[in-house]
Amino acid sequence: GAGVSQSPSNKVTEKGKDVELRCDPISGHTALYWYRQRLGQGLEFLIYFQGNSAPDKSGLPSDRFSAERTGESVSTLTIQRTQQEDSAVYLCASSLELAGKYEQYFGPGTRLTVT
Amino acid sequence: ELKVEQNPLFLSMQEGKNYTIYCNYSTTSDRLYWYRQDPGKSLESLFVLLSNGAVKQEGRLMASLDTKARLSTLHITAAVHDLSATYFCAVPRAPGATNKLIFGTGTLLAVQP
Repeated sequence: GAGVSQSPSNKVTEKGKDVELRCDPISGHTALYWYRQRLGQGLEFLIYFQGNSAPDKSGLPSDRFSAERTGESVSTLTIQRTQQEDSAVYLCASSLELAGKYEQYFGPGTRLTVT
Repeated sequence: ELKVEQNPLFLSMQEGKNYTIYCNYSTTSDRLYWYRQDPGKSLESLFVLLSNGAVKQEGRLMASLDTKARLSTLHITAAVHDLSATYFCAVPRAPGATNKLIFGTGTLLAVQP
């Protein structure tokens, strides 16, 4: 079946502009995660959505970052007034989160370059 | 704060050789994940280790988990070039939690012909 998809695959923006990144999780997956991966580094957790519960925003690096999710479907990550340090690959993952089914499935990522 | 450390960070090995990547984590966890990432690609799930003593094998890769030692190993047997990638281990931030995986820094594996 279809996996996690993200758009755009690449985004180049000027410093100070706002950007929106989109994630379509696997159908039926109740949990959705956003991560950031800077060049040559591991993944940093940003935000977690689970069903209708309040999202866990504890990983968002600043108030310029926000994310929304509509029900158990699409999510958008918004970065306002982008800075050069925001340049990274933003990865989305989804999971079923039933007993024994905790595996996270990752999308291809959006490579964000802030000039 | 949970820390996840991998070593080595970079591994260059010849085809046909064996080697082990280590993943240490600093607090109690009941599960551990291994992922593979090819250059410019996303992460592919390799193994989910759910209990102490768990061992899983897929092809030339074998992963094990020792929750008492807070250590997981990813063993590579008779490496081939196709295994060249970055390998990440990841641990949930709290026992029983399924979210907020804390990732290791990754091990870049380069298998030379």
